[in-house]
Amino acid sequence: DTGVSQDPRHKITKRGQNVTFRCDPISEHNRLYWYRQTLGQGPEFLTYFQNEAQLEKSRLLSDRFSAERPKGSFSTLEIQRTEQGDSAMYLCASSLAQGVDTEAFFGQGTRLTVV
Amino acid sequence: ILNVEQSPQSLHVQEGDSTNFTCSFPSSNFYALHWYRWETAKSPEALFVMTLNGDEKKKGRISATLNTKEGYSYLYIKGSQPEDSATYLCALMNRDDKIIFGKGTRLHILP
Repeated sequence: DTGVSQDPRHKITKRGQNVTFRCDPISEHNRLYWYRQTLGQGPEFLTYFQNEAQLEKSRLLSDRFSAERPKGSFSTLEIQRTEQGDSAMYLCASSLAQGVDTEAFFGQGTRLTVV
Repeated sequence: ILNVEQSPQSLHVQEGDSTNFTCSFPSSNFYALHWYRWETAKSPEALFVMTLNGDEKKKGRISATLNTKEGYSYLYIKGSQPEDSATYLCALMNRDDKIIFGKGTRLHILP
């Protein structure tokens, strides 16, 4: 297994368009996280999953954002009607929940630019 | 509310010098604290997962301490090298495995 992979690595879209990103976690990992990172900030929590169940979605997220993990493996993050403020790096991470020693493994991110 | 504060935001250190930075978090309901290193154009990588009050962990020239009662952790780098230039992220994990990050400390090693 080569780790967490995200696709695409870069996306440029026009304002108002919909975009979808994909994350493939490490195969046996049951937790999957999505974060957004903008310049000068740390990763901002968006949502996370236990297998296919979405456990929590950040209250900061508008209804334009939705995430799924239909079979408990890969996940998609969709942004509808993109706005310039959505430009950011979108990071995915996965972990195997096993108590306090759990660490998360990150993908390289999808950089979104909304023009 | 999980609120993680890191200081300083940015740090310039001469090669060969030692340095340290701070992560502060609410001490109530503590479960685990993570340190990650994030190099430009790469993925964040875990350095340490810390859970016990008084814990001290070490990896090469990098070490970290944890005080869960007062809600802080220090990351130390001894004898800084150019390859240490990165953003160092602190993250708090709760009992539901939700992980919340601080804003990071951007470390620049000057040759």
